[in-house]
Amino acid sequence: AQSVTQLDSHVSVSEGTPVLLRCNYSSSYSPSLFWYVQHPNKGLQLLLKYTSAATLVKGINGFEAEFKKSETSFHLTKPSAHMSDAAEYFCVVSDPDGFQKLVFGTGTRLLVSP
Amino acid sequence: DTGVSQDPRHKITKRGQNVTFRCDPISEHNRLYWYRQTLGQGPEFLTYFQNEAQLEKSRLLSDRFSAERPKGSFSTLEIQRTEQGDSAMYLCASLSGSSYNEQFFGPGTRLTVL
Repeated sequence: AQSVTQLDSHVSVSEGTPVLLRCNYSSSYSPSLFWYVQHPNKGLQLLLKYTSAATLVKGINGFEAEFKKSETSFHLTKPSAHMSDAAEYFCVVSDPDGFQKLVFGTGTRLLVSP
Repeated sequence: DTGVSQDPRHKITKRGQNVTFRCDPISEHNRLYWYRQTLGQGPEFLTYFQNEAQLEKSRLLSDRFSAERPKGSFSTLEIQRTEQGDSAMYLCASLSGSSYNEQFFGPGTRLTVL
């Protein structure tokens, strides 16, 4: 069975400092991996996705993630946090050969202080 | 707005009552998913439709839950004899037929069972 583990339930940063949200995956297939963001009272929005092309994936709002097969990791980074980045972030894996059910991690809440 | 819509956005009901939620996917998307998100957790897969056919159901979907997608357009999720444990956010997502595309999520229906 496929799964993802988000290593931190909460991450606190100051505005303008780097962001690192950690995710490890477990998959018997060559995985498709995603990061979704959920702002309060808003729907889930895709930040970026990895689908076996380039291992460094760039997403929206300056976020990027690197797929490392040897470490089974897919960490999300951003060079400089903005107040508007405060939200819940989910690392997600899907089966590209099945019906693409998404399996979510438990989420990391990003707090950004002025 | 051409995104995924869900109705109602909030539902408060008493234990034992039946409730029905509706999801309208993006019009050209033939795949539709239901997920459930409880407080502090990531969304969990409930069921999947391709056009009007329900092709997969999670073990989370007890006999009190039923989902339909008549004519392969909108979908409904019904919960009979609601229990307090059914309190959650119910999310709908849709996807076009191509692989590796993102699932677009609706804003969700928040159910509170008193």
